[in-house]
Amino acid sequence: KQEVTQIPAALSVPEGENLVLNCSFTDSAIYNLQWFRQDPGKGLTSLLLIQSSQREQTSGRLNASLDKSSGRSTLYIAASQPGDSATYLCAVKDKNFNKFYFGSGTKLNVKP
Amino acid sequence: NAGVMQNPRHLVRRRGQEARLRCSPMKGHSHVYWYRQLPEEGLKFMVYLQKENIIDESGMPKERFSAEFPKEGPSILRIQQVVRGDSAAYFCASSRDRTDTQYFGPGTRLTVL
Repeated sequence: KQEVTQIPAALSVPEGENLVLNCSFTDSAIYNLQWFRQDPGKGLTSLLLIQSSQREQTSGRLNASLDKSSGRSTLYIAASQPGDSATYLCAVKDKNFNKFYFGSGTKLNVKP
Repeated sequence: NAGVMQNPRHLVRRRGQEARLRCSPMKGHSHVYWYRQLPEEGLKFMVYLQKENIIDESGMPKERFSAEFPKEGPSILRIQQVVRGDSAAYFCASSRDRTDTQYFGPGTRLTVL
């Protein structure tokens, strides 16, 4: 059964710092991997989607990488801002039934 | 094109009552997924439905929980005889087909008193 782990569980950084969030998964037979952002009491906002054949995706200050063989993904956030404060969820999509397996998230606090 | 809609957004039930959560997928989407998020945890898959069919219910508790997606109308997640441990946020996602991107709704936050 697929297990998704995110490290660290929480992270507090000063504004302007570059940071890396980590995600690992146990079964490399994935369809794709997606990073989401969740604000308190809100739904999910999709940030980046990496297909299983891709190595990385970029959007603005965000860059996500995927190493399927080692079961790892990282989300890099450049020049962090207080508005980036949220919980970041990593999810891998099952190859067979298209369901997501989610990590428990990294709660990010960017201090002004 | 409206996004995935869920209602109610907040639901309060007393122990032993029934909870009915509704999910209207995006227009043109016939695949619906339900996920549950317990406090301070990630989302956990519950069930995957296509119109009138349950495709995968491996994440559904064996008792008290059921889901349907009729030919007409929204998908319904039904929880009978709710207990405090059912308090969580329930998210629905929809897609056009099984390989398409899933779009998430805003969630229903269930509180069991």
